[in-house]
Amino acid sequence: DAGVIQSPRHEVTEMGQEVTLRCKPISGHDYLFWYRQTMMRGLELLIYFNNNVPIDDSGMPEDRFSAKMPNASFSTLKIQPSEPRDSAVYFCASSLQAGRNIQYFGAGTRLSVL
Amino acid sequence: GENVEQHPSTLSVQEGDSAVIKCTYSDSASNYFPWYKQELGKRPQLIIDIRSNVGEKKDQRIAVTLNKTAKHFSLHITETQPEDSAVYFCAAPNSGNTPLVFGKGTRLSVIA
Repeated sequence: DAGVIQSPRHEVTEMGQEVTLRCKPISGHDYLFWYRQTMMRGLELLIYFNNNVPIDDSGMPEDRFSAKMPNASFSTLKIQPSEPRDSAVYFCASSLQAGRNIQYFGAGTRLSVL
Repeated sequence: GENVEQHPSTLSVQEGDSAVIKCTYSDSASNYFPWYKQELGKRPQLIIDIRSNVGEKKDQRIAVTLNKTAKHFSLHITETQPEDSAVYFCAAPNSGNTPLVFGKGTRLSVIA
C-alpha cells in the first residue's frame, strides 16, 4: 500500500478563498482522522470518521471548517472562507482502530492564507 | 477526557549520551501508549508503542517504560546520534477505543 495520500502538498491562497484538502486513507482502515499542526497549539484533532461516518467533530474550530467522507477511500477537509489564522500544516491519518492501533499519517498539506 | 502532559519541551544532548522524555496521562483506563517521531518538514511516524499489560519494551536503541500506578510512561534513547534530532510526541487514548490525545512534543537536539 502507498500509505495515506494527501493533496495538495502545499497550498497558498488569499483570505476569503475556499480551500479543499484531500485525503486517501490506507485501504482497509476503518478510521480516518484530520489534524491541524501549529507551533502554538501542537497537533490538534479536528474530526474523525469511522466507516465513513463522522463520529466527533468537536475539534473543528469554526463553521468555516467542514469535512466529508463520501466513501472508504476519500475524504475532504474544506475551509470556506479561509483566514490567515488557518495557516498551518493539516495532516490526515488512518488506522484500524481509533485508539488501540498505529495511526499512519499522510505527508500533510502546508496551507498558507495570505 | 484524557490529558497528556509531556516533558521536557526541549532537550539537548551530546552525541552518544542518553535522552529521556516523560509523559503523564490522566485516564487510568488508557491501555495503549505510542511514541511518534517527527523530523523537520515530515510527517509523524510511530517509533515504538507499549500496551498496558507490559512494563517495558525495547527496540534497539529505543525503549519505552510504563508505570500504570503512577500513570506515566517514558521514552529512552541510548547512544544518541545526530539523526535522532527531531520532535517526539507521546500519545494515549481518551479511553478504550477513542482517538489518541497527543502530548505537546519534545524537540530533541543531538549535538555532534
